Amino acid sequence: GAVVSQHPSRVICKSGTSVKIECRSLDFQATTMFWYRQFPKQSLMLMATSNEGSKATYEQGVEKDKFLINHASLTLSTLTVTSAHPEDSSFYICSAPPSGGTDTQYFGPGTRLTVL
Amino acid sequence: GIQVEQSPPDLILQEGANSTLRCNFSDSVNNLQWFHQNPWGQLINLFYIPSGTKQNGRLSATTVATERYSLLYISSSQTTDSGVYFCAENSGNTPLVFGKGTRLSVIA
Repeated sequence: GAVVSQHPSRVICKSGTSVKIECRSLDFQATTMFWYRQFPKQSLMLMATSNEGSKATYEQGVEKDKFLINHASLTLSTLTVTSAHPEDSSFYICSAPPSGGTDTQYFGPGTRLTVL
Repeated sequence: GIQVEQSPPDLILQEGANSTLRCNFSDSVNNLQWFHQNPWGQLINLFYIPSGTKQNGRLSATTVATERYSLLYISSSQTTDSGVYFCAENSGNTPLVFGKGTRLSVIA
């Protein structure tokens, strides 16, 4: 199956700093990528849809100025958590459906963010 | 929007036992996937099954689209099967809507 990578896998930062998370499709192109957030023992909740070459679409309740998304190429989307606070600590996962391929979606391994 | 419900929420099995996990949908199924989230958080694709039945080793899945449900069967469970099982649905390239998951613990 298709491979999606995320970097970093784990990050610990101080409150007030910004953290960038990368999501890459390694062996396919993706015009769209999705960013999810998962709190402990809960399901995955969609945060935003990343679109190559255009602005991201954010779900209700997700602050676009706090969670900056850039989809710079057909294989890379980045999520930047700006001025992170402890309540932003969570597991962030990206997914990508291959462009022009099946409707199966492939997920990255996730990034565990801890804000002190 | 579409609602996805999974049952049971928690399940404890003795190694070697069989189990059935259920996923109900509030609307017509377009694309349906089953995932296993391992203890490290990685989501592993198990099945893409908008309809019909598929089998992969000890796992199999059946989706009855007309009745809006899907079942995941685990036979001869092993401790490595432990984790959370999610079903999720979408249409085309839209984001997946996830159920709350079934947390499975297989005890040796």
